[in-house]
Amino acid sequence: SQQGEEDPQALSIQEGENATMNCSYKTSINNLQWYRQNSGRGLVHLILIRSNEREKHSGRLRVTLDTSKKSSSLLITASRAADTASYFCAPLIPNSGYALNFGKGTSLLVTP
Amino acid sequence: DTAVSQTPKYLVTQMGNDKSIKCEQNLGHDTMYWYKQDSKKFLKIMFSYNNKELIINETVPNRFSPKSPDKAHLNLHINSLELGDSAVYFCASSREALYGYTFGSGTRLTVV
Repeated sequence: SQQGEEDPQALSIQEGENATMNCSYKTSINNLQWYRQNSGRGLVHLILIRSNEREKHSGRLRVTLDTSKKSSSLLITASRAADTASYFCAPLIPNSGYALNFGKGTSLLVTP
Repeated sequence: DTAVSQTPKYLVTQMGNDKSIKCEQNLGHDTMYWYKQDSKKFLKIMFSYNNKELIINETVPNRFSPKSPDKAHLNLHINSLELGDSAVYFCASSREALYGYTFGSGTRLTVV
């Protein structure tokens, strides 16, 4: 399978706490991307990390990539109720026609 | 200004009918995609077009036919609709296929 697999499947935290989601994949990659999907909406691109990068930040988001372990993590700091959504990782595989394959995502619930 | 727009947003139709979903992007992107998201939220690539040429055609029944009249449009035509076609269909686009995708808001297709 060329998709990422997110873990955990569901995560429930309180506002202000940090949320960590993990992603594992099976082959070498060009880059790995994280997306958010609010209920009933399309996916929104959050962050892209290239295979030669180890860490990347964007606002309250921090993404790490460990190509030796074929894994990535997404950390959302100081979470807010508005962060409630599903989060998907998508590894971009060389010679795959550059199509992203998505897993089932991590469903994050942030309660006030 | 909507970057990737899909129409219609909702589509309810009977088995055996033929229907089309339209997608347009105003981002100047070279590559467009169709994804299917089932009830379990699993998002699967169906087709990918680069500059009006088909570059990916995953295992999709040939009742599904994409049409790209120009770089900004990728429409999806479905013949002889079946109950199992009920899902949310997302259109997306990207620049040079190595960058993040921009998704449309989805078309919820219900076959009765």
